[in-house]
Amino acid sequence: GAGVSQSPRYKVAKRGQDVALRCDPISGHVSLFWYQQALGQGPEFLTYFQNEAQLDKSGLPSDRFFAERPEGSVSTLKIQRTQQEDSAVYLCASSFGGGYGYTFGSGTRLTVV
Amino acid sequence: DQQVKQNSPSLSVQEGRISILNCDYTNSMFDYFLWYKKYPAEGPTFLISISSIKDKNEDGRFTVFLNKSAKHLSLHIVPSQPGDSAVYFCAASPTSYNQGGKLIFGQGTELSVKP
Repeated sequence: GAGVSQSPRYKVAKRGQDVALRCDPISGHVSLFWYQQALGQGPEFLTYFQNEAQLDKSGLPSDRFFAERPEGSVSTLKIQRTQQEDSAVYLCASSFGGGYGYTFGSGTRLTVV
Repeated sequence: DQQVKQNSPSLSVQEGRISILNCDYTNSMFDYFLWYKKYPAEGPTFLISISSIKDKNEDGRFTVFLNKSAKHLSLHIVPSQPGDSAVYFCAASPTSYNQGGKLIFGQGTELSVKP
């Protein structure tokens, strides 16, 4: 597609439920990033893939968070046993290679109740 | 520990005047700085960037200034237009441009340009 596509746009989860957030990057983009944006804050880095390799996962806040990109294209961010503090907008971004020419998706707004 | 700080949560400017958005950082190892613009319900979009070896970069109405000794950068928008109303994020990276990688964002400044 023309842009980075994220689904679902909105997700309401009950506390303790597992969720999976999907990111379809721009075709051919090698690098893929996940960021978490809490209300009133800037995006915070979660993890980074180059093709299927997860090169940096230093931003994942706990072992409840897991990301994968098995074929080097679509990526899924999974959150197990969701907590209220996980409520945020989850942004995915992709780029062709090095550099900072990120294209962000519109994000998935997760609300944990 | 907030490594990139935007101390003004909001700024209101009259159309046609200059908008100045400020950003401070603490890590002297940051090598590359960027500004992103975000409209509601959309992802951030890249606006302008500057390498640490420069002190100014200009692109049309947008100019970014970098003062490394003060660990401060600013974004100037001249003249401001109502369509510039958005949240602006400052971001920094410790790696060189060609390496890419993660960015560290400030909290954002909401700019409102009034007609």
